[in-house]
Amino acid sequence: ETGVTQSPTHLIKTRGQQVTLRCSSQSGHNTVSWYQQALGQGPQFIFQYYREEENGRGNFPPRFSGLQFPNYSSELNVNALELDDSALYLCASSPVLAENYNEQFFGPGTRLTVL
Amino acid sequence: QKEVEQNSGPLSVPEGAIASLNCTYSDRGSQSFFWYRQYSGKSPELIMSIYSNGDKEDGRFTAQLNKASQYVSLLIRDSQPSDSATYLCAVKRNYKLTFGKGTLLTVNP
Repeated sequence: ETGVTQSPTHLIKTRGQQVTLRCSSQSGHNTVSWYQQALGQGPQFIFQYYREEENGRGNFPPRFSGLQFPNYSSELNVNALELDDSALYLCASSPVLAENYNEQFFGPGTRLTVL
Repeated sequence: QKEVEQNSGPLSVPEGAIASLNCTYSDRGSQSFFWYRQYSGKSPELIMSIYSNGDKEDGRFTAQLNKASQYVSLLIRDSQPSDSATYLCAVKRNYKLTFGKGTLLTVNP
């Protein structure tokens, strides 16, 4: 069984630039959620995708957007990068219509640094 | 009031002891409760999930849930140095998983 994968591992950008982060969900999982984890904090929910539609969103501005593809992989796009966007970005996948449908499993994350 | 609160620690225990980690949450509509372990520089790893009041045991780990008190705990028996990590409590309602800041646990050999 293949786990959640994310790319790239690390990324350095400058203020005002745009970035795209990618995630492949675990085999058999069709729901993908994205989180931002700042240093010393717990992960903060950005949004969730199910059946290629945004299923819910946290308190993040519209410059954070996403996509889900038919193979359940997903992208997180961040426009007009700010210094405070520097964080570990985590993707988590979960199965639906299963006994443990609530459980979310995280990928290794992408460390984004904004200079 | 924060949605999910945990003592930030650090919590230090000797090897072989029981480590007790606590978490309170504010949303009474919360449906599912989770403990994740996060090693430094790594992503969170799910170690326990609990959905109903009472205890749930899995190996050396026991999760306890009391919905009336809005309280979740994790006990780690026979703590090992490899258990040294940050433990994140997470609470789920519908699609949203809300995390605490985590408790840093150090197990001393």
